[in-house]
Amino acid sequence: DTGVSQDPRHKITKRGQNVTFRCDPISEHNRLYWYRQTLGQGPEFLTYFQNEAQLEKSRLLSDRFSAERPKGSFSTLEIQRTEQGDSAMYLCASSLDRATQANYGYTFGSGTRLTVV
Amino acid sequence: AQKVTQAQTEISVVEKEDVTLDCVYETRDTTYYLFWYKQPPSGELVFLIRRNSFDEQNEISGRYSWNFQKSTSSFNFTITASQVVDSAVYFCALSHNDYKLSFGAGTTVTVRA
Repeated sequence: DTGVSQDPRHKITKRGQNVTFRCDPISEHNRLYWYRQTLGQGPEFLTYFQNEAQLEKSRLLSDRFSAERPKGSFSTLEIQRTEQGDSAMYLCASSLDRATQANYGYTFGSGTRLTVV
Repeated sequence: AQKVTQAQTEISVVEKEDVTLDCVYETRDTTYYLFWYKQPPSGELVFLIRRNSFDEQNEISGRYSWNFQKSTSSFNFTITASQVVDSAVYFCALSHNDYKLSFGAGTTVTVRA
């Protein structure tokens, strides 16, 4: 397994367009997380899945954002009617249960950098 | 509420110097977890260490060492004999549950040859 994969690495879109990002976690990991990182800041939690169930969503995740993990494997994050404020790095991570109590923490992907023009 | 403060925005050192990154946290929980991550220019966050609130032992891993002091709510990170490959953004993070991390703003470390 090569780790957490995210696609695309970069996305430039015009304001008002919809975009979708994909995350492929480590295959045996049942948890999947999405974080957003703006320039000069640390990542901020958006949402997480336990298998296919979305268990928590941050208030940062407005109605324009939707995340799915239909079969408990890969996940997609869609942003509808993009705004310039959505420009950020979107990071995906995966883990086994109780990641914060394991010596390895999460495994993060390299992220998708979104630029809204 | 949980909060992580990394007061140093940028640190620049010459190779072989030691560098210490400060991390101060706030939490009302008695059980919590502290982390350090490294983010090189390629973008992915690399896990360095986890420490739980009941374990105040300092830890050393190669050139890396961590000093956890509950009395001052600090979890500082030292790189000894820094190398150019240590150049990256370093994040301290806090969690009180088993799924959500709260990150500090990060400290950019530049090691000059």
